[in-house]
Order: sequence, then C-alpha cells, then structure tokens
Amino acid sequence: AQSVTQPDIHITVSEGASLELRCNYSYGATPYLFWYVQSPGQGLQLLLKYFSGDTLVQGIKGFEAEFKRSQSSFNLRKPSVHWSDAAEYFCAVGRYTGTASKLTFGTGTRLQVTL
Amino acid sequence: DTGVSQDPRHKITKRGQNVTFRCDPISEHNRLYWYRQTLGQGPEFLTYFQNEAQLEKSRLLSDRFSAERPKGSFSTLEIQRTEQGDSAMYLCASSLSGTARKNIQYFGAGTRLSVL
Repeated sequence: AQSVTQPDIHITVSEGASLELRCNYSYGATPYLFWYVQSPGQGLQLLLKYFSGDTLVQGIKGFEAEFKRSQSSFNLRKPSVHWSDAAEYFCAVGRYTGTASKLTFGTGTRLQVTL
Repeated sequence: DTGVSQDPRHKITKRGQNVTFRCDPISEHNRLYWYRQTLGQGPEFLTYFQNEAQLEKSRLLSDRFSAERPKGSFSTLEIQRTEQGDSAMYLCASSLSGTARKNIQYFGAGTRLSVL
C-alpha cells in the first residue's frame, strides 16, 4: 500500500527566507505526486503535480518541487516566503490502477511565517 | 467554471442524530470523491464515484455511512446515529476520468461536523 511521510509537523521561517518542506513516499509503481495547501478552515488547493518527465516541476505562487526517485522524495521549495504563505501543506501520492483512483496524504506540515 | 461546492459549511449535531452533506462537483467532472480529515491529520479517502457508480469504498466507511450520486451529478454523504468520533472535516473532490493526468482532484471547502 502507498504511504506518505512528512517528517516536519511545524516549520517557522522569516518572511523573505527560503523554504523547503520534506516529503517521502512509498509506492510500488511510478508515483504520481502532488502538493496541496490548506488555509485555516478551508479546503485544499493544488500547488503542483508530478506525473513523469522533468523532475523539477513548477507550481502556482512561486512554488516548485523536485522528484528524486533514488530518495523516494518530493520536496517542496520556495526561494522567498511571503507572509500569505502561512498555511498547512500536504503531500500526496495518487493511485490509478484498474478502477482505483485515490490520493493518500501525509499528515501535513504547518508553516508559520514571522515578519 | 465554478469549483466544487459543499453544503453546509458547518454542522453541529447531537450524538445519535443523522446528518447529510451535499457536494456539487465541477460540472464536466464525472468522478467525485469523499475524504475525511480529523484534527492534525491529512485527508483520508472514504469513497469515490464514477458517474453514478460507487467504484471504491474505504474500510473507514462504516455501516453508518452511506454515499449516493443518483444522477451522476451531485452527491450526498449521510451519517446515521452520529458518534463523537465522527467529528471531522468532510471534504469532497472531483476530477475527470481517464489517464492519471486527467484524474487531478479539485477540492471543495469542506463541511465541518461537530458531534456533541
């Protein structure tokens, strides 16, 4: 069965500093990977996705993520964090085999931005 | 193109009562998903539909839970005899079907259920 680990429960960065959120996955086949962001009391917004090809993917709001098969990782990065980036971030792996279609999420990383 | 819409946004109920939530997917999406998110956790898959057919159900979906999508458009999730452990955010998502690239799931704002 697939699984996702986000080792950092909570991260605090200063506005303007760089950010890296870690994600490790376990999946037997080619993974389809996603990062979603959730503001308090809200649903999930898709930041970016990886299916195949270029291992560095660009997303919305200046975020990018790098797929590293050898490390089973899909870390999210941003060069300069803005106060509005404070939210909870979820990494997910998708499974699409036969009639199956579902996402398995990590437990999330809460990002706090200090001014 | 409106996004995924969920109603109500908040529901407070007493233990033992039945509750029903509604989800309206993005109009051209034929797949609809339900997830549950408890405090401090990531969303957990409950079930999904392709058109009106319920194709997969998680073991999390106990006998007290039932989901329907009778005309392949909106869906309802009903919880019977609610328990305090049912308190959570219930998220709905929708997608197209086909290749993995088409199965990107877009989420609604969720329904937060509090069982007293």
